[in-house]
Amino acid sequence: DAKTTQPPSMDCAEGRAANLPCNHSTISGNEYVYWYRQIHSQGPQYIIHGLKNNETNEMASLIITEDRKSSTLILPHATLRDTAVYYCIVSSKAGSNYKLTFGKGTLLTVNP
Amino acid sequence: GAVVSQHPSWVICKSGTSVKIECRSLDFQATTMFWYRQFPKQSLMLMATSNEGSKATYEQGVEKDKFLINHASLTLSTLTVTSAHPEDSSFYICSARDPAGVNTEAFFGQGTRLTVV
Repeated sequence: DAKTTQPPSMDCAEGRAANLPCNHSTISGNEYVYWYRQIHSQGPQYIIHGLKNNETNEMASLIITEDRKSSTLILPHATLRDTAVYYCIVSSKAGSNYKLTFGKGTLLTVNP
Repeated sequence: GAVVSQHPSWVICKSGTSVKIECRSLDFQATTMFWYRQFPKQSLMLMATSNEGSKATYEQGVEKDKFLINHASLTLSTLTVTSAHPEDSSFYICSARDPAGVNTEAFFGQGTRLTVV
């Protein structure tokens, strides 16, 4: 079973920031938070991951609360091409403990 | 990010035949590969994990004799659906990872849509 909880859907206006929340209250100390997205009929695309510090890359920012029980993925300037299902996943990085178990994710719809 | 390629992108086969799907890591050595399937309007379900040179580890409820996985090299894993039936029709997706590499996250192929008629 997925160890994360996400809202089933969200809407965002094009050009605005999209903030996607994720709860992972049972996360273990060695588990990372990963974000992937899946555009219809394609394989998932890696976005970002983090352990406890906030992370930023060319796609998004990841804000992890101090207690690590929740996080927020931020797409700073959403475009229509960002419409996808976004998955928040927790997993250890180490060897056989690395397993990406997908929940239902959040369907983000970016509107013009 | 790293590139993972699946082949074919889609395949239609007759009931009772076998189908092989290939998953290649193009620019890194994938010591670990994962196979998922996804039914319409559902999330991805992990089927098995394979490590290069070792037997695959299957998730509970996945028949290892029906879904044969071979991971004979660091850049190629194959999934063979044996004696396919219409209920095996699904979207099959692989991902690959190099735990010792610069990028330790898993990268996914584009998926293979299997239709069994």
